[in-house]
Amino acid sequence: KAGVTQTPRYLIKTRGQQVTLSCSPISGHRSVSWYQQTPGQGLQFLFEYFSETQRNKGNFPGRFSGRQFSNSRSEMNVSTLELGDSALYLCASSPLSAYNQGAYEQYFGPGTRLTVT
Amino acid sequence: GEDVEQSLFLSVREGDSSVINCTYTDSSSTYLYWYKQEPGAGLQLLTYIFSNMDMKQDQRLTVLLNKKDKHLSLRIADTQTGDSAIYFCAEKGGGNKLTFGTGTQLKVEL
Repeated sequence: KAGVTQTPRYLIKTRGQQVTLSCSPISGHRSVSWYQQTPGQGLQFLFEYFSETQRNKGNFPGRFSGRQFSNSRSEMNVSTLELGDSALYLCASSPLSAYNQGAYEQYFGPGTRLTVT
Repeated sequence: GEDVEQSLFLSVREGDSSVINCTYTDSSSTYLYWYKQEPGAGLQLLTYIFSNMDMKQDQRLTVLLNKKDKHLSLRIADTQTGDSAIYFCAEKGGGNKLTFGTGTQLKVEL
């Protein structure tokens, strides 16, 4: 099975712009979660989508949004970029939602490195 | 609270055992996980343990869980240079999401 893929791998944007990142989960996985990884804050949960519905959201401003399509592919969007949004954005897929009982095994993509100048 | 803490750095010699420690605060955690991150890559799920277990062994990896003290450890036997990476523990707590620790950088020296 192919793993989780994320595009693009690297991105440079200017403050004030908006950006869209894409994630294709492992075939058959219906849950996609997004995380932001920075040296200062570590790994922080952004949101989880399951069957096209946002199931959970982390403590991020409304500039961060996402969606999931019927084929489980997901996109996240960041509007009005700030310097502090520079980070590695990781997507993870799982067969089940975190709301299900069970182990909730997440499989991560390689990430998109976003640099805001 | 949802803080998950790890020591920042661990250095071992090739062939020795490595023990990476983690403490968490959410007593409702049902599953605890260990992930590995190599430079420029995403996180790789290594193993996980259900909260009603106290030990799980998977080849060179041994996970110990002390639920009373909210302490989790990962032992890597016969550590190799390919084990050099950042190791994250994570808990599936009451918030229905994974909360990750701060990460421990493991350096394996020859």
